[in-house]
Amino acid sequence: NAGVTQTPKFQVLKTGQSMTLQCAQDMNHEYMSWYRQDPGMGLRLIHYSVGAGITDQGEVPNGYNVSRSTTEDFPLRLLSAAPSQTSVYFCASSYSGRDTEAFFGQGTRLTVV
Amino acid sequence: GDSVTQMEGPVTLSEEAFLTINCTYTATGYPSLFWYVQYPGEGLQLLLKATKADDKGSNKGFEATYRKETTSFHLEKGSVQVSDSAVYFCALGESSGSARQLTFGSGTQLTVLP
Repeated sequence: NAGVTQTPKFQVLKTGQSMTLQCAQDMNHEYMSWYRQDPGMGLRLIHYSVGAGITDQGEVPNGYNVSRSTTEDFPLRLLSAAPSQTSVYFCASSYSGRDTEAFFGQGTRLTVV
Repeated sequence: GDSVTQMEGPVTLSEEAFLTINCTYTATGYPSLFWYVQYPGEGLQLLLKATKADDKGSNKGFEATYRKETTSFHLEKGSVQVSDSAVYFCALGESSGSARQLTFGSGTQLTVLP
């Protein structure tokens, strides 16, 4: 059982480039989300999805797009990378409900130069 | 909005020492509370949780009690090991319609020395 799989693990971008971070889960979870982790700030929610075809913004959505065409996949797109987007990105999935466990991928370390 | 405040780190302890990491929260409703742990180079994984007031979550020797009167969920372990070195995150979970939201604290880096 793979759980939550994120690719790539590491990426270096130049300012202005675009890219897509991939996330896939095999647990049939309805809820998927993207977080960024910055030193001293914990994890901040970028976008989330409650099911295929349904997405919404989190706390820090600017500069990022998402889509959810299938239950399994939830890619995160950086439209025009900026140095402020240098961070570690985590994808997570869970069943809906306030007390359910969230499962996290191993993260993508992104550097924008 | 909801928020979680954790004690600032880093925390460095000797093996077999007692650990407390403080966590307090602000929430409008009745959230569930979680502790997640992140080992070096890995994603977060659930350590323990509590879903209502006075519940105690426990796992791998770690414990935390949901205290509604003090809005706290402090993490404790009686005797830490080198393998407990990691970053610990307190989080609260709320539901809004069909969505669930997790709000995280800033994390506390724990280093245990042999």
